[in-house]
Amino acid sequence: TQLLEQSPQFLSIQEGENLTVYCNSSSVFSSLQWYRQEPGEGPVLLVTVVTGGEVKKLKRLTFQFGDARKDSSLHITAAQPGDTGLYLCAGASPRDDKIIFGKGTRLHILP
Amino acid sequence: DVKVTQSSRYLVKRTGEKVFLECVQDMDHENMFWYRQDPGLGLRLIYFSYDVKMKEKGDIPEGYSVSREKKERFSLILESASTNQTSMYLCASRLNRVSFPTDTQYFGPGTRLTVL
Repeated sequence: TQLLEQSPQFLSIQEGENLTVYCNSSSVFSSLQWYRQEPGEGPVLLVTVVTGGEVKKLKRLTFQFGDARKDSSLHITAAQPGDTGLYLCAGASPRDDKIIFGKGTRLHILP
Repeated sequence: DVKVTQSSRYLVKRTGEKVFLECVQDMDHENMFWYRQDPGLGLRLIYFSYDVKMKEKGDIPEGYSVSREKKERFSLILESASTNQTSMYLCASRLNRVSFPTDTQYFGPGTRLTVL
């Protein structure tokens, strides 16, 4: 069974600080996606990374796919209260067309 | 923009009732999915459909069934609701299997179901 472990589960930091969220697995994925979910809403896709070692930037968010395509990280620079939410990573299985979700990191940015 | 809508944001039902959750997408997507989301357990796939009239069991199909009579609509049915089915239910759609694994899954806003 393919699993995606996210860490930390919860993170509460002050506005302006930097943070990194991790998504790890022992399995290889065809692609890795990051979603953000706000309270009362469904997850919204932030980015998809496909190539091992790939780095993508979305304003203050930097996403990296591990060289072996087993893990990924999300780094936020100078966090803002608007970054508050549940961050989910999701891996595309190379064996079938299923997407496996991590349990999420709940991020709270204090003003 | 793709829009996925769900029939109710909040629903309260009694144990034993039959419950229908409706999901509609407006972008002619072939693939549709039903998940439930619970604290500490993440998103778990209940059922999915690759196209009209098709359905496949996900990881936790017990106690649920689905219907896809039209391409844009995917219904989740709780045959006899139980308290352990209290959860947030999320519907999602995706263009098709060919676009996997880089395509986006578009989620609806969710239905928070409480079974008393």
